[in-house]
Amino acid sequence: QLQLQEAGPGLVKPSETLSLTCTVSGGSLSSSGSYWGWIRQPPGKGLEWIGTISYSGGTYYTLSLKSRVTISADTSKNQFSLKLSSVTAADTAVYYCARHLRTYGQGWFDPWGQGTPVTVSS
Amino acid sequence: DIVMTQSPDSLAVSLGARATINCKSSQSVLYSSNNKNYLAWYQQKPGQPPKLLIYWASTRESGVPDRFTGSGSGTDFTLTITSLQAEDVAVYYCQQYYSNPLTFGGGTKVEIK
Repeated sequence: QLQLQEAGPGLVKPSETLSLTCTVSGGSLSSSGSYWGWIRQPPGKGLEWIGTISYSGGTYYTLSLKSRVTISADTSKNQFSLKLSSVTAADTAVYYCARHLRTYGQGWFDPWGQGTPVTVSS
Repeated sequence: DIVMTQSPDSLAVSLGARATINCKSSQSVLYSSNNKNYLAWYQQKPGQPPKLLIYWASTRESGVPDRFTGSGSGTDFTLTITSLQAEDVAVYYCQQYYSNPLTFGGGTKVEIK
């Protein structure tokens, strides 16, 4: 059974870089045709897709965050990571990682990790 | 960006009654070459991550009870919960995957009346 688990600091100072890791178990990050994504949810609000990395390391990001986001993978650890630079209070959210199931183009997310809350505050 | 608008924001339904959630996209998410609607539905219970219910607008994910039904095409979609159960209390989101950026609706909160 595929499972994902996010990890990282729960508090980040404004202007610094938020760094999170997602560990995948029950499956391989580098499995052909697999994609992995990050989604966030500000407190009391809806869901925002951040970006996705492919099994081959290709990445694509939502335009509004593209200048600040980097998603990378470490296949030896079966982990993928999110870095978001120059954070502000608006980046406070629960951050989820998920498998991004793509077929005939884009796709949906399943399963999701439990999520990790990140607060941006000095 | 494709904007996804859900309605209502919340609804209260009696146990055993029907709940209907609407999702409208700002442009069609029907891909003409394969006649598929690029739309998914998720359920999020308090303190939990979203759970996939439906993809391709009407294909139920394995293990999802058949009281959950997705319908619609083009720009207008509906998630129907027939015979609402107590465990269905949650926020429901639609998501389009027709184009980047992938976008979600604002959510509809379903409660028991």
